[in-house]
Amino acid sequence: EIVLTQSPGTLSLSPGERATLSCRASQSVRSNYLAWYQQKPGQAPRLLIYGASSRATGIPDRFSGSGSGTDFTLTISRLEPEDFAVYYCQQYISSPRTFGQGTKVEIK
Amino acid sequence: EVQLLESGGGLVQPGGSLRLSCAASGFTFSSYAMSWVRQAPGKGLEWVSSIRDSGGDTYYADSVKGRFTVSRDNSRNTLYLQMNSLRAEDTAVYYCAKFSNVAGWYEDHWGQGTLVTVSS
Repeated sequence: EIVLTQSPGTLSLSPGERATLSCRASQSVRSNYLAWYQQKPGQAPRLLIYGASSRATGIPDRFSGSGSGTDFTLTISRLEPEDFAVYYCQQYISSPRTFGQGTKVEIK
Repeated sequence: EVQLLESGGGLVQPGGSLRLSCAASGFTFSSYAMSWVRQAPGKGLEWVSSIRDSGGDTYYADSVKGRFTVSRDNSRNTLYLQMNSLRAEDTAVYYCAKFSNVAGWYEDHWGQGTLVTVSS
């Protein structure tokens, strides 16, 4: 099983700042089959990024994904008020499909 | 617009059974694999089960294997999760999700979830 470790657990930032979220895999995620999801309280997760760096339909370009192998990053270039949420990475190359434990981006 | 509407959640005693449904609309249901993902209160996301578009192949997390059964009725555009021998640790919001057909199976649309509480 591929274990995904996200860091930091909580990121305290102000609107307009840049957010950098990390996701590290216990073994290589082949084909960069890694996705990022955003979840707000009481809501379902929303797909942001797939294939490590491809934005999903309708996702603003302030969200970007990068990385390969075992190290992946989600960057939010300038935080908007609606971006404060929990973010999860997920690998979908290996069974069982696994998620990271999440990074909470909170208002400072 | 893709819509996924889960139902069937509720309170059940340990050892009991429950069947969840997910009504799909806004896309050709029979052409897409589907999944169930759950989230225990205050916790992260956990994949539970997946099923191919035809229903011919099913996949389960070890934590539910032998107790849960995923199925689908493509004529009714509905996904199901039959949950037997429920345990307290199965308490969670259960989401159904549609898989993308592009470059791997990742969940590109999610329902709003249905809460399952296992308690005496």
